[in-house]
Amino acid sequence: DAGVIQSPRHEVTEMGQEVTLRCKPISGHNSLFWYRQTMMRGLELLIYFNNNVPIDDSGMPEDRFSAKMPNASFSTLKIQPSEPRDSAVYFCASKPTGSAGNTIYFGEGSWLTVV
Amino acid sequence: AQSVTQLGSHVSVSEGALVLLRCNYSSSVPPYLFWYVQYPNQGLQLLLKYTSAATLVKGINGFEAEFKKSETSFHLTKPSAHMSDAAEYFCAVSDQGGTASKLTFGTGTRLQVTL
Repeated sequence: DAGVIQSPRHEVTEMGQEVTLRCKPISGHNSLFWYRQTMMRGLELLIYFNNNVPIDDSGMPEDRFSAKMPNASFSTLKIQPSEPRDSAVYFCASKPTGSAGNTIYFGEGSWLTVV
Repeated sequence: AQSVTQLGSHVSVSEGALVLLRCNYSSSVPPYLFWYVQYPNQGLQLLLKYTSAATLVKGINGFEAEFKKSETSFHLTKPSAHMSDAAEYFCAVSDQGGTASKLTFGTGTRLQVTL
C-alpha cells in the first residue's frame, strides 16, 4: 500500500514567490490534515478536511495561506506570497473516517526554505 | 479542548537502560491517546495508541505505555534502550469529534541514546 505522498520533498524559493505543496492521501481515507513543524512552534495543525470539505482552518496563520481539496485523492497547500518565516516542514496526513481512535498516517513532509 | 504536556524536551539514556518519556493529558471526555516517533528527516510514525481498551498498550520496537486515568498520564517506556531508538517522540490526544476528529500534539521529547 502506498502511503501518503507529498511533493515536492524539498523546495527553496525566494521571498515573494508562490509556493504550492501537494498531497495524495491514502486511498479510502476520508480525512486529510496539513501540519507545519518548526523548531520554535513544534507541530501545528493548519487545516483539516473531511470528505473534501474543510472542517477547521483556524490554524492557518494568515490569508497568505490557502488549502484546497478538489477531490478525495488530492490536496494542495498554497502560500502566496511566501516569506522567510514560512520556512518549515509541512506534513500532510490522512485518516480513515469513523472512530476518533483511528490512526493518522503521515507523509514524509515537504521541506520548505524561503530565502 | 484536549491537550497534552510532555515533560522534558530532551532525555538522554545509556544503551540498555530504561526509557521513560512522560506525557500528561487534559481532556473533558475519555481521551484517545497516541505516541508517534519521528526519525531524522522523516515523517511521523505511529508507535502505539490507547483507545479505551486495555490500559497497558504495547507498540512497535518494544515500546509500551500505560493509561492512568487517576494521574491523567500516558507515559511511554521501553525496558532497554537501543541506539536505533534515538529520535523525537510525540504524544498526542484525539478530540471526540467523531468522524471529523483531529490530533493535538505535544511539543515532543528528543531521546538521545549513548554508549
